[in-house]
Formats: sequence, structure tokens, C-alpha cells
Amino acid sequence: EPEVTQTPSHQVTQMGQEVILRCVPISNHLYFYWYRQILGQKVEFLVSFYNNEISEKSEIFDDQFSVERPDGSNFTLKIRSTKLEDSAMYFCASNEGGFRYEQYFGPGTRLTVT
Amino acid sequence: QQQVKQSPQSLIVQKGGISIINCAYENTAFDYFPWYQQFPGKGPALLIAIRPDVSEKKEGRFTISFNKSAKQFSLHIMDSQPGDSATYFCAALFQGGYSTLTFGKGTMLLVSP
Repeated sequence: EPEVTQTPSHQVTQMGQEVILRCVPISNHLYFYWYRQILGQKVEFLVSFYNNEISEKSEIFDDQFSVERPDGSNFTLKIRSTKLEDSAMYFCASNEGGFRYEQYFGPGTRLTVT
Repeated sequence: QQQVKQSPQSLIVQKGGISIINCAYENTAFDYFPWYQQFPGKGPALLIAIRPDVSEKKEGRFTISFNKSAKQFSLHIMDSQPGDSATYFCAALFQGGYSTLTFGKGTMLLVSP
């Protein structure tokens, strides 16, 4: 069964450093998302991406964040200068589009900023 | 208005019992309501979903009940098993947008053997 994959599973970085989180969405999906989950809290939307551009973003997704689909398969989230409060699980999700609304999530990347 | 309120925060049910988790929403533009199951250290996994044109959807031991006038929906897990112990999130989505999910805060379910 096709699934969303994410790398790395755990990333430790120092405050102020740049990190890139990587995702491979399900191959025939058209919509891509990043969500984050701070430990013990709910899943929060960050950004959606369609047709090679951001379609929607939340207040969390400020100028320190960017997304990119550098090739036909990868979808990346970059945090330019990490802060302690960026420590969270980051989930990538994808959706087929059309009249299918199911979003499938990857296993997540645990980001720890020290 | 974008919030989805979920209760209870945690739930303990005996094996074989019925687990019930409730959610309420304010935004009447929401028109797709999925439930996700999440095990520790894993991503949310889509469990079951409903659209507001039906009042109930059943898949195996999992049932969503939907009350459009009350703007409420609930997940019922029949014959709850220890393997069902997980965190459950309700969510809502407006299909006319770019389909971003708004999640409830989650319910930690423990099914005791």
C-alpha cells in the first residue's frame, strides 16, 4: 500500500541553525501539507502546497519557514533559523485531490532544538 | 470559529465496552469530518470519515454519528480492545478551500484488559 515517507525520523539541531525536513508524498497525489504537533498537544496546520506553490498557510508559518518541491517526488520544509519553540513533531501529509478528501500522514520527524 | 472542540481529554474503557468520543464545531462551512488514530511516536492514521449528508457511517467496530443541526459528531468504538488504546483526533475540513484539516485536541483512550 502506498504511504507517505519522511526523513529523518529525528533531527537534533542547535538554536539558530537551519534544518530541512524531507517528505516523499504518495506518488499520484496532488496536494501536500505540513503539520506540526508539539508534545502532548493537537496537530496544527502549517502550510498547503498545490501546483508548485503555497495555497494556504497558517500564522505559524512565518518568514522563517519555506517549502519546496525540488523534483517530482520530494517535498521539503525548511526552517531557516530554528528557535527552541520549533521543537515538535512535523508531519507531512498528501491528498489525491479531485473529489477525494482523505489526507494521509507520514510517520513524522521529531525536531529537537537545543 | 475555526475550532473543533473534543471531549473527553482521556477515557478508560474495559475490554469489550463501548468507547465514545465527542466533537463539536462552530464553522458551518466544514463539510468533511474525519477521525484519526495515533499511536505513540507515529503519525495520525485515517480511521473513518463522514460527510454531512449522512447521519451515521459504520466501518467494522467504528461508527461515526453526525448531528448537523447540533454541529456535533462522535466516534463510537464497539467491543473495544486493548489494541485500540491510542489517541484519537477528530478533525474538520472545508472542501471548497485547499482542504486544510482543523484538529480537535485529542482523546487518549486506554482499554483495560
